[in-house]
Formats: sequence, C-alpha cells, structure tokens
Amino acid sequence: QKEVEQDPGPLSVPEGAIVSLNCTYSNSAFQYFMWYRQYSRKGPELLMYTYSSGNKEDGRFTAQVDKSSKYISLFIRDSQPSDSATYLCATSSGGYNKLIFGAGTRLAVHP
Amino acid sequence: GAVVSQHPSWVICKSGTSVKIECRSLDFQATTMFWYRQFPKQSLMLMATSNEGSKATYEQGVEKDKFLINHASLTLSTLTVTSAHPEDSSFYICSASPQSAGDQPQHFGDGTRLSIL
Repeated sequence: QKEVEQDPGPLSVPEGAIVSLNCTYSNSAFQYFMWYRQYSRKGPELLMYTYSSGNKEDGRFTAQVDKSSKYISLFIRDSQPSDSATYLCATSSGGYNKLIFGAGTRLAVHP
Repeated sequence: GAVVSQHPSWVICKSGTSVKIECRSLDFQATTMFWYRQFPKQSLMLMATSNEGSKATYEQGVEKDKFLINHASLTLSTLTVTSAHPEDSSFYICSASPQSAGDQPQHFGDGTRLSIL
C-alpha cells in the first residue's frame, strides 16, 4: 500500500465548475500537508500548505485536512482553463522536509 | 519570494558523459536542498537531501557514486550525474526551504530534462 494515494485522473470539467481533488494517506504521524500545481515540463508550484487538521482558504482555493479519516482535499472554485495542470498532494511527519507525494491528478478545464 | 532557479532546463548528451545540474535559491538562504526525479506521468521521488557544508543523505536505492551532490554555499547545490546512460534520462527537480523561517514548505525549481543518447 502506498503511503499517499491519489487518483491520477484525468479529470475534465467545464469552466466555472467547482473542482474537488483528494488524497488519502496511511501514516497517522503525518502532520504537514501541501498541495502543489505542476504544469507540463515545469516544476511544482506551491499552492497551499497546512499543519494538522482544519481548513485553509486562499482566493479560489480551499484546502481541507481530516486527520480522523486521513483524507486531504483541495477545492477550486470558479475553475479556469489556466487551472489545467497536474495537482500533487504531499505530506510529511517531520516538518516540511522529507515529503511523500501522491501520484498527481491531471485536471483539464475546458472553455 | 522563495524563488528557486535550476539550470540547465534541458540537456542532451552522449552516453558516458557526466552532467552537472545547478540549483540556486535566489532570494533566501537554504541550509537544506532536495533533489527529486520524476518519470513521465509519475510523481516525484526524493533522491537525496543536500546539506550545506556536509555530505548529502541519499534515499534507499539511489547510488551516491552515480549522483554526486555538492552543497558548497547557502544558495547553491549541484547534482552531477556521472557516466550517464540512457536509463538515467529523466526529469530532475530540486527544491529548497527558507533557512530561517522554521516550518516552511519546499519551493521547487523548474526542473532539468536530461536526455542521454
């Protein structure tokens, strides 16, 4: 069993839709959670990061962590074609050092 | 802020050549940098943790003599792929966290696409 599971997609949605991206993890010691966006042939770009449980909102993006179910989510409101990318969840137990990444979900937002 | 620059972005070379990739933190100091490898449509796999002024820590299965890491300053780490072969072809990405900011997430460079002929 992988430590972080993420559906690779692809996920295709119309412009303006609310997108829900999810990951599950197996290690209850994970405390740090991140979402990265990666465009083709580019490095990952940090979108959101949280420590422990709870919600965090930044513009159109909301990150949620439910430690009781070991489930992390990223919501994108009013999705745009420019949001089309691969979204990677990542987690770690000892600070933001040794990150464990999910497989990444490919998202396509069509006009 | 927290910009990480990686160079070159793409390199093609013959089998047996050694290739050096540079990773720089442009607007912060980083005692620790990380090197990842990514295969097409797959996620990032941590290869090694680069520590300024000391030896790198390699993940299990990564040959330290094949992938030489040097972290000579607080803003520069280099990865040298020695005697590269076609199976070393991949996307290599570095990352770093701001030194003095405590718990801060990693910021990534734009990667280096390495193609060995």
